[in-house]
This record gives sequence, C-alpha cells and structure tokens, in this order.
Amino acid sequence: DIQMTQSPSSLSASIGDRVTITCRASQSISSKLNWYQQKPGTAPKLLIYAASSLQSGVPSRFSGSGSGTDFTLTISSLQPGDFATYYCQQGYSTPPTFGQGTKVEIK
Amino acid sequence: QVQLQESGPGLVKPSETLSLTCTVSGYSISSGFYWGWIRQPPGKGLEWIGTTHHSGRTYYNTSLKSRLTISVETSKNQFSLKLSSVTAADTAVYYCAMTDLLLDGAFDIWGQGTMVTVSS
Repeated sequence: DIQMTQSPSSLSASIGDRVTITCRASQSISSKLNWYQQKPGTAPKLLIYAASSLQSGVPSRFSGSGSGTDFTLTISSLQPGDFATYYCQQGYSTPPTFGQGTKVEIK
Repeated sequence: QVQLQESGPGLVKPSETLSLTCTVSGYSISSGFYWGWIRQPPGKGLEWIGTTHHSGRTYYNTSLKSRLTISVETSKNQFSLKLSSVTAADTAVYYCAMTDLLLDGAFDIWGQGTMVTVSS
C-alpha cells in the first residue's frame, strides 16, 4: 500500500495568513493526489483533485501543486471558514490511502 | 444535484453484522462512476473500506476483506455494505461516496455519514 504522510499534523494561523500543508507519498503517484477539507461533525469535502485542479465551487485562495511524491496545498489568505482539518489522498492505486490529516487552528 | 444518504442501525452488538445502505439521488448508479465506503473512528483519520461499480466489479480493503461484502442494487439506485463479526474497533462514522476510480481516484461527493457504535 502507498503511505501518505502529511506535515505538519497541526498548525496555528491568523486570518489573512498564507498557509502551506505538505503531503509526501511513499512512492511516485504521478499527479493522482487529492485534497479534502473536513469541519467537525461533517463529511470531508473535495477541494483539489489531480494535484492542482480546483473542484467546482471551491474558492480560488485554495491551490495545489506537486507531482511524483511531493505535494502541497496552499491557502493564500486564511479565512474564518478555513479552520478545519485537511487530508490528502492518493488515487494512483488501490487501496486509495489518506494522509493522517492537518488541523488548522486559530492563532 | 447528486446526493448520497447513508442509512442503517446506529448500534450493533459485538460479533454481529453491520449493514448499511447508501441511497443515491440525482444520478443513476448504472450510468457510471464508482461507489465507495470510507469510515472514520472517533477522533481519528479516514480509512477506505471498499469501492464497487454497477458492473459488479468490486475492490476491498485487504484488512477487512474476509468480513466484507459490498454490493449494488441498481433497481433501487443503492449500494450496500455488510461487515460481519464486528468488534469495538469497527465503531466509526461510515461515509458513502461517489468516486472516479479510474481517473483521479477522488471521492467527489460524500454522504453526510452515519455513526455506528459496536457495543453490547
């Protein structure tokens, strides 16, 4: 199975900050990397698919980059609704596997 | 728009079978896409359970495979999950989701999730 490792596990940031979360795969997954946002008590929501494609309806302050084994999710200017846990997930091979999550908290 | 809704018992006794159904609206399961189950134990991360297609093609998490059955009922536009011999370790929120398995493998649309507790 492909292991996905996110860093950091948590971070504190202020409104307006630029936030970057990284995700590393244990082997190359080309660009088959997806990002999700999960708020407490709700289902995960797809933000970015195929490493850098923005899901319909997702604000443009979210962006993704990377290929191979190293990927990043960037929030260009953190907004109040962005405080949540973010997960990466590889779609390169079965089983699909998720990172352990990064919790973004208010500073 | 496409919506998914999980249903099933919220409490299951140890050693019994957990059964959940996902009802899809706004899209015909027979039209394509794959349909998956993911779970999340309290306070923990996401674990893929399995994915199925209306053709019958199904993929299972190998750690659950011996206890797991996922099936599709196209006439009802539903797919289901059965997990046998459950233990407390199977306590989790269970989500169903639509996935483009052969493209980018993303889980595009999720149900709201249903909490299942395994306890006597």
